[in-house]
Parts: sequence; structure tokens; C-alpha cells
Amino acid sequence: GENVEQHPSTLSVQEGDSAVIKCTYSDSASNYFPWYKQELGKRPQLIIDIRSNVGEKKDQRIAVTLNKTAKHFSLHITETQPEDSAVYFCAACDAGNMLTFGGGTRLMVKP
Amino acid sequence: NAGVTQTPKFQVLKTGQSMTLQCAQDMNHEYMSWYRQDPGMGLRLIHYSVGAGITDQGEVPNGYNVSRSTTEDFPLRLLSAAPSQTSVYFCASSYGQVQETQYFGPGTRLLVL
Repeated sequence: GENVEQHPSTLSVQEGDSAVIKCTYSDSASNYFPWYKQELGKRPQLIIDIRSNVGEKKDQRIAVTLNKTAKHFSLHITETQPEDSAVYFCAACDAGNMLTFGGGTRLMVKP
Repeated sequence: NAGVTQTPKFQVLKTGQSMTLQCAQDMNHEYMSWYRQDPGMGLRLIHYSVGAGITDQGEVPNGYNVSRSTTEDFPLRLLSAAPSQTSVYFCASSYGQVQETQYFGPGTRLLVL
């Protein structure tokens, strides 16, 4: 089955700086890569996703890039704000009907 | 719409007891799934369903059963609870396929003593 590795596990940045979280996947047939944000004690919520026919997608301060050859994808957050502090999860969907999540990254934005 | 709802919010069980975690959605979503979330391990898929009457195993199905008799409901049954099943359980649903936005429920925190 699919295996998703996520790094780093924790990330601390100053407000206004950029944050980058990286994920690798194992199944070359995977075609859908979402990112979820989970605030403390809350449910995960989708913030952005990308499909395998696209190399990059941007939504305001958030962008995701996908390198299919290297089998990795990354989340970029620019101009970070304290409300960006949360745990972020990447995931990959293989040719079946299953989403496999990475282990998560705890992002802390210091004011 | 209430979205995805889960009951109970919190439950304490003794080893060997059985129970059912309830999940319901009112968005007419076809795809539903159950995840468990343990510290440092992300979300792991237990079981999923692509529509009423159809269920399949995920990454960690042992010790759990599911059924999908209606589009709205997707209960998760713990057959004989073990301390290793202490976790937070999330139900999720999406409109058609898994390659769409997953809407998560609020979660059920389970403690097995």
C-alpha cells in the first residue's frame, strides 16, 4: 500500500516568515494530494489539494507543489500569522479508494 | 445541514467490552470512512465505504467492524475493546469519491482501561 512520510514533525517560525512542509509518497499511481489543517482539539479541515496533472496550485498565502518524478509534494505558507499555528497533515490517494496520511507537522508561529 | 455528526464525544470502556461509535451525515455523501488518530501517527484509515451496502478494509481494520445499510449512517463497532484501541476516532465523508474534500466529524475520544 501507499506510504507517506512528512517532514519536519515540528516547525517554529516568526510571524511574517514562510513555512515549508514536505511529504514523500511511495505509490507512483497516486493521483490526489490534499493538505489538512487541524487546530488543537478540532477536526481536520481541507486547506488545499492538488491532482497529479498539475504541478503547482496557489490559494492566497498557501501553495502546494508536486513533483511526480521524485514522488514528493510540499506545502508553502507565506507571511505566516499566529492563526496559522496548527498541525498540518499531507495525504496521498492511490489508485484505490484510500487516503493515506502523513504523520503531521506541528507549526508554531511566534508573534 | 448538520454536516458530519458523531456520538458519543467521549467514552470509557473496560477491556473486553464492546461498543458502537455512531457516525451520520446529512449531505447525501456516497463515500464515508473511519480514521483513528494517535499522537505522532497522523490519521490511519480503519474502514471505508463507497456507498450503501459496500464496505472495505483500510490500513488498520483488525478489531473493528462496520456496516453501511443507509447512505446517511456508518457505525463503527469495537468487538472486544483493548487498551491499544485507546484513541481519537474521526468519521469523514465526501460527495462522490475519496479524491474530493473530506468532511470530518468532531471526533470521539475513546479510553480503554
